[in-house]
Amino acid sequence: NAGVMQNPRHLVRRRGQEARLRCSPMKGHSHVYWYRQLPEEGLKFMVYLQKENIIDESGMPKERFSAEFPKEGPSILRIQQVVRGDSAAYFCASSPETYQETQYFGPGTRLLVL
Amino acid sequence: LAKTTQPISMDSYEGQEVNITCSHNNIATNDYITWYQQFPSQGPRFIIQGYKTKVTNEVASLFIPADRKSSTLSLPRVSLSDTAVYYCLVVGGSQGNLIFGKGTKLSVKP
Repeated sequence: NAGVMQNPRHLVRRRGQEARLRCSPMKGHSHVYWYRQLPEEGLKFMVYLQKENIIDESGMPKERFSAEFPKEGPSILRIQQVVRGDSAAYFCASSPETYQETQYFGPGTRLLVL
Repeated sequence: LAKTTQPISMDSYEGQEVNITCSHNNIATNDYITWYQQFPSQGPRFIIQGYKTKVTNEVASLFIPADRKSSTLSLPRVSLSDTAVYYCLVVGGSQGNLIFGKGTKLSVKP
């Protein structure tokens, strides 16, 4: 049973470009969460999605960031016009039928903005 | 939202038992206590979760007193590979997201 998959594992972008991060949840999981982690810091919640619905995006920056979890395919975190401050590790987690169940994390995508 | 407080760092030696205590004074009735482990360049890994008293699995034990305002993660006979950051979280209520603090950086020495 494969765990949470994220790709790419490393992503380098120049300022102003777009970054697309993908997350495939564990089989049978319908809840997806995105977190961001800066060096030496804990993870910060960004957005919580179910299939085709955004449930909570209270941690998402108001501009340039968006997320989706389509009926088919992986969840996508999209960052438009990246800036150096977007450099971080982005983790995706998934949980089964209810959000109160344990969240399982992927290996993360490390974004570096030059 | 219940906030947690835990030591920033701890040192130990191989073979010792390590106890990491976490304070969560504002824990709500419906909240669970959950611990995650994170190695460098990896995502957090679920270790253990409990509501009250004691929970034990193949990796660790979790002790929760009756008032539930604190909890202790116990790692028996640590090895070098247990060097990691350990996060204590309070989970439940109406929010879906996890709230991570800075965690406890455990260093196990030979």
